[in-house]
Amino acid sequence: QSVLTQPPSVSGAPGQRVTISCTGSSSNIGAGYDVHWYQQLPGTAPKLLIYGNSNRPSGVPDRFSGSKSGTSASLAISGLQAEDEADYYCQSYDSSLSGSVFGGGTKLTVL
Amino acid sequence: EVQLVESGGGLVQPGGSLRLSCAASGFTFSSYSMNWVRQAPGKGLEWVSYISSSSSTIYYADSVKGRFTISRDNAKNSLYLQMNSLRAEDTAVYYCARAMIVDDAFDIWGQGTMVTVSS
Repeated sequence: QSVLTQPPSVSGAPGQRVTISCTGSSSNIGAGYDVHWYQQLPGTAPKLLIYGNSNRPSGVPDRFSGSKSGTSASLAISGLQAEDEADYYCQSYDSSLSGSVFGGGTKLTVL
Repeated sequence: EVQLVESGGGLVQPGGSLRLSCAASGFTFSSYSMNWVRQAPGKGLEWVSYISSSSSTIYYADSVKGRFTISRDNAKNSLYLQMNSLRAEDTAVYYCARAMIVDDAFDIWGQGTMVTVSS
């Protein structure tokens, strides 16, 4: 049971827009801690996709965007492409655990 | 090129010990906090441990507290994870990851090293 809750899977057709939710609590996202998002392609290490709730590292396409409100955050992917098929994880800090926490991950399937 | 390379994984019996290493290159290692993150086969990511740039602050996940020890040698640009009293549930790919200075996101990851705990 992960501290941050994500849907196990989402899917969309090429060109469509999908969103992935990340729900936390008052000791993590709701306490004001930043949310970060990672993309993990099969057999590879995770890659930072969004940091500080809505910032993209250099090289990440603007098709990827992040937002945060209250105790939740969301990752939106527009203009879906086949290469976006991967696992996506949210991450934040939890004050009651004194450490980072990850969501359980969401598998994105491009139909 | 900014890079992290883990080593030291392998097969170990339950109750045994293993020491993982992470070699950093291409950046000023001593300026960054570092983390260990693990991923059990077919499972999600689990944060394991954090160490600040000067080693003054260290945190552990409850699942490894008292068994694992994180450390670093800034002169050698290296991060370590000493793992004792290993259990089957510690079986995972272990990644070292750099924390951003401006935020606590993990911006650079190693390729991972596999640890298998089995008799």
